[in-house]
Amino acid sequence: AQSVTQPDIHITVSEGASLELRCNYSYGATPYLFWYVQSPGQGLQLLLKYFSGDTLVQGIKGFEAEFKRSQSSFNLRKPSVHWSDAAEYFCAVYGSGNTGKLIFGQGTTLQVKP
Amino acid sequence: NAGVTQTPKFQVLKTGQSMTLQCAQDMNHEYMSWYRQDPGMGLRLIHYSVGAGITDQGEVPNGYNVSRSTTEDFPLRLLSAAPSQTSVYFCASSTGQGKSYEQYFGPGTRLTVT
Repeated sequence: AQSVTQPDIHITVSEGASLELRCNYSYGATPYLFWYVQSPGQGLQLLLKYFSGDTLVQGIKGFEAEFKRSQSSFNLRKPSVHWSDAAEYFCAVYGSGNTGKLIFGQGTTLQVKP
Repeated sequence: NAGVTQTPKFQVLKTGQSMTLQCAQDMNHEYMSWYRQDPGMGLRLIHYSVGAGITDQGEVPNGYNVSRSTTEDFPLRLLSAAPSQTSVYFCASSTGQGKSYEQYFGPGTRLTVT
């Protein structure tokens, strides 16, 4: 069965420090992978997506993610975190069967220290 | 384009009451989905639709009904509200065409059942 695991429930980093949020997926075929961000009380905004091709994907707000098939991972990175990056981050994989379904990880809450 | 809209934003129900959460999109998307978000569990799929007149169950469908009479609208009905249905509900849509698997999310409805 398809699944997504985000091992870190909560991460705290200092402003200006680098960030890496982990995501592992279980999927039989080539996955379509996404990272979404949710600010407090808001909906979900797409940060970036991977369908095929270059395994390093650039997104909005200075985020990037790297697809590693051998490790079944799609980790999200940012070189220098800003206080406004404090939010909850969700990794997701597109479900099989062309039904428009997404399977989400449990989410990682990012806290940024001044 | 308004994108995906949801009403109401907040709702409080008593156990046993019924209500309908409204979702509409103006992007002519074929695929629409309902998710619920609970702390530590990410987003879980309730029901989804791949086009007008076609719906199917997701991961957590019990207690919810859907119908899709038009491309634009995808209402979610709670038949007899229970405290376990206290959650934040998100509606999403996507084209499902080619590799455009990106889902667009509404702002959410925060539901409390007492």
